[in-house]
Amino acid sequence: GAVVSQHPSWVICKSGTSVKIECRSLDFQATTMFWYRQFPKQSLMLMATSNEGSKATYEQGVEKDKFLINHASLTLSTLTVTSAHPEDSSFYICSARGPANNQPQHFGDGTRLSIL
Amino acid sequence: AQKITQTQPGMFVQEKEAVTLDCTYDTSDQSYGLFWYKQPSSGEMIFLIYQGSYDEQNATEGRYSLNFQKARKSANLVISASQLGDSAMYFCAMIPGYSSASKIIFGSGTRLSIRP
Repeated sequence: GAVVSQHPSWVICKSGTSVKIECRSLDFQATTMFWYRQFPKQSLMLMATSNEGSKATYEQGVEKDKFLINHASLTLSTLTVTSAHPEDSSFYICSARGPANNQPQHFGDGTRLSIL
Repeated sequence: AQKITQTQPGMFVQEKEAVTLDCTYDTSDQSYGLFWYKQPSSGEMIFLIYQGSYDEQNATEGRYSLNFQKARKSANLVISASQLGDSAMYFCAMIPGYSSASKIIFGSGTRLSIRP
């Protein structure tokens, strides 16, 4: 079945560092990719939607200069947390979907980001 | 308004028993897709089952079945013969409409714990 690969799975870094998270669709072309943030014991919160070759659409309240999203190809999207601070510590999970909405949206395994 | 409601924050079930996780949805779209995902403590989102709004038969995938009652706008997940490995967070989700701009909407989740 379709697989989405997310890397890295765990990051610990110092405050002020920029962190890049990669999301790849391995066996299908992801026309749309999504980035979510999940706080403990809560549901997923959509941060942004990206379509290949165009700028990401950010949800209200999400700083686009803080969370840079690049979707350069149909199989790769990246999320860069710029100048990360402790409040950015969270679980980030990407998701990818093909062109038809009756296909499931597949998720990466997530990235646990800890900023010291 | 587009919404998914899961009214059971947590459930405890004895191993080998069947369990039903409740989900109701609200949408004005005639076409939509309903999904269930499992999120174990490791964090990955695992796709379980899909039901299209025009599907007349309830979806089944192994031990998982979706009890789709369109008039009541409910899409309950039934797990037969529960196993210890079924302990996880379960999210009901919906993609309203059939456009590439449609975003998946998640419920708040149900934490299922299976007792040996």
